[in-house]
Amino acid sequence: QKEVEQNSGPLSVPEGAIASLNCTYSDRGSQSFFWYRQYSGKSPELIMFIYSNGDKEDGRFTAQLNKASQYVSLLIRDSQPSDSATYLCAVNTGQAGTALIFGKGTTLSVSS
Amino acid sequence: GAVVSQHPSWVICKSGTSVKIECRSLDFQATTMFWYRQFPKQSLMLMATSNEGSKATYEQGVEKDKFLINHASLTLSTLTVTSAHPEDSSFYICSARAGGTGNNSPLHFGNGTRLTVT
Repeated sequence: QKEVEQNSGPLSVPEGAIASLNCTYSDRGSQSFFWYRQYSGKSPELIMFIYSNGDKEDGRFTAQLNKASQYVSLLIRDSQPSDSATYLCAVNTGQAGTALIFGKGTTLSVSS
Repeated sequence: GAVVSQHPSWVICKSGTSVKIECRSLDFQATTMFWYRQFPKQSLMLMATSNEGSKATYEQGVEKDKFLINHASLTLSTLTVTSAHPEDSSFYICSARAGGTGNNSPLHFGNGTRLTVT
């Protein structure tokens, strides 16, 4: 059973702080990793993706990947109340035509 | 780019009736689309993989005769919930990858359909 694990939270941070969201996955053959944000009642929207070990930065967001530890994280700098949402980690095992496997998501609450 | 449109956004139907949900890729062709279902405070669960011109592949535990999938063109997949019951009430979301960008490219999601069966 291929699994993606996330702490459900809620993770509460004050405005302006760094929010750190973590995710582990079970399939060592996984090749690509995605972070989606989902507001209540809405569908997921892509934040960023990462394929290679190390860090990838996009604006206030940084994704970190460590394939040896089967661990991927998302850092949100200068957190804003509008960042309050559920963040979903998703993994692609790389087999042709396969869907993403999603974690249960971490709920982030940014207080002003 | 890579816009996925889903219709309707919400639907209320009576128990025993059928509901059709449409998923369209507006600016790209999608030979494969994915249907997910999400119950309140749960994650997205893959229901089935829709393949253009061939039968859909269903995940374990998903009844193929209840959730009919048709992928008649490179831009349209439909999910029909037949003989709906209250336990089918959920948030149904379709997704697709933009063609030619490789299997590791992200999924783009439709806006979802909130189904309520009374």
